[in-house]
Amino acid sequence: KAGVTQTPRYLIKTRGQQVTLSCSPISGHRSVSWYQQTPGQGLQFLFEYFSETQRNKGNFPGRFSGRQFSNSRSEMNVSTLELGDSALYLCASSSPFRGDNEQFFGPGTRLTVL
Amino acid sequence: GNSVTQMEGPVTLSEEAFLTINCTYTATGYPSLFWYVQYPGEGLQLLLKATKADDKGSNKGFEATYRKETTSFHLEKGSVQVSDSAVYFCALRSTGNQFYFGTGTSLTVIP
Repeated sequence: KAGVTQTPRYLIKTRGQQVTLSCSPISGHRSVSWYQQTPGQGLQFLFEYFSETQRNKGNFPGRFSGRQFSNSRSEMNVSTLELGDSALYLCASSSPFRGDNEQFFGPGTRLTVL
Repeated sequence: GNSVTQMEGPVTLSEEAFLTINCTYTATGYPSLFWYVQYPGEGLQLLLKATKADDKGSNKGFEATYRKETTSFHLEKGSVQVSDSAVYFCALRSTGNQFYFGTGTSLTVIP
């Protein structure tokens, strides 16, 4: 079974631009979560989508948004990029049909904002 | 609320040394607990997990026991190898199905 895939793996943008990141979960997984990882802040939860609905949301400004499609693929969008948005963005999927199960992570998208 | 606190790093050990990385949590209800590992340039991988009090998770020589009385889930390994060098994250899954991660502990094992 294929793992979680994220595209692109690397991105370089300039301040003020916007960016869209994509995540394809493991087949059959309906929950997709997004995290921002930075050296100073560790792993911070952005939001979780389940069956095309945002189920949980972290403490990030409205510039960060996401959506999930009917095939469970998810996109994350960041508008009006700031230098502080430079980070590794990780996507994770999990199955709702197994109790107390883990999240499976993709390799991440490394975003650099210049 | 829910949160995870883990030992600050970085940690540097010699090969075959004993490893402990402390992790404590705050949670309502009965969370599941996890340890994830992140190797350089990769995403996080599940190392082990425990779903209820007194459960012991184990994998690749690593162990952690879910201690409800001390709200802890410390990671241990009796003899580390150079290949164990990575960043280790403690996490909990709340009863509301949300994950909370610690800040990560970087481990470097030197030959």
